[in-house]
Amino acid sequence: KAGVTQTPRYLIKTRGQQVTLSCSPISGHRSVSWYQQTPGQGLQFLFEYFSETQRNKGNFPGRFSGRQFSNSRSEMNVSTLELGDSALYLCASSLESHSSYEQYFGPGTRLTVT
Amino acid sequence: SQQGEEDPQALSIQEGENATMNCSYKTSINNLQWYRQNSGRGLVHLILIRSNEREKHSGRLRVTLDTSKKSSSLLITASRAADTASYFCATPFTGGGNKLTFGTGTQLKVEL
Repeated sequence: KAGVTQTPRYLIKTRGQQVTLSCSPISGHRSVSWYQQTPGQGLQFLFEYFSETQRNKGNFPGRFSGRQFSNSRSEMNVSTLELGDSALYLCASSLESHSSYEQYFGPGTRLTVT
Repeated sequence: SQQGEEDPQALSIQEGENATMNCSYKTSINNLQWYRQNSGRGLVHLILIRSNEREKHSGRLRVTLDTSKKSSSLLITASRAADTASYFCATPFTGGGNKLTFGTGTQLKVEL
């Protein structure tokens, strides 16, 4: 079974631009979560999507948004990029939207904002 | 924000020795999970311990949970160079879903 895939793996953007990151979950998984990892703030939850609906949302500004498609693939978008948005963005998929189900993480997208 | 702290922040040991990492959290939990991350890559789920369990084993891993102290520990026995990684504890949001709050992590280095 293929694992969670994220594209692109690396991205360099300029302040003020916007970016879209993509995540393909493991086949059959319906829950996709997104996390931001930075040296200063560590791993922080962005949002979770389950059956195309946002299930939970972290404490991030409205510039961060996401969506999930009917095939469970998910995208996250960051508009008006700031230097502080430079981070490793990780997505995780799970069979169901419940913490007793194991989450599988992708390799991440490393975003650099200059 | 972080749910809690992990201790130590960094740990360096020789191959074959045991490594112990501790995690403290702040709120009541349904379960606690441990993850490993190799050098800025994706996280790998290691083990989940439920709030009504006190100890759990998986291969060379042993996890304990003390809900009265809001703490957990991860023991890796007979460590190998391949165990070199960062280790994180994570607690799920009790309101449901897959939202996890991660600890600050312990960087483990196992030297030959």
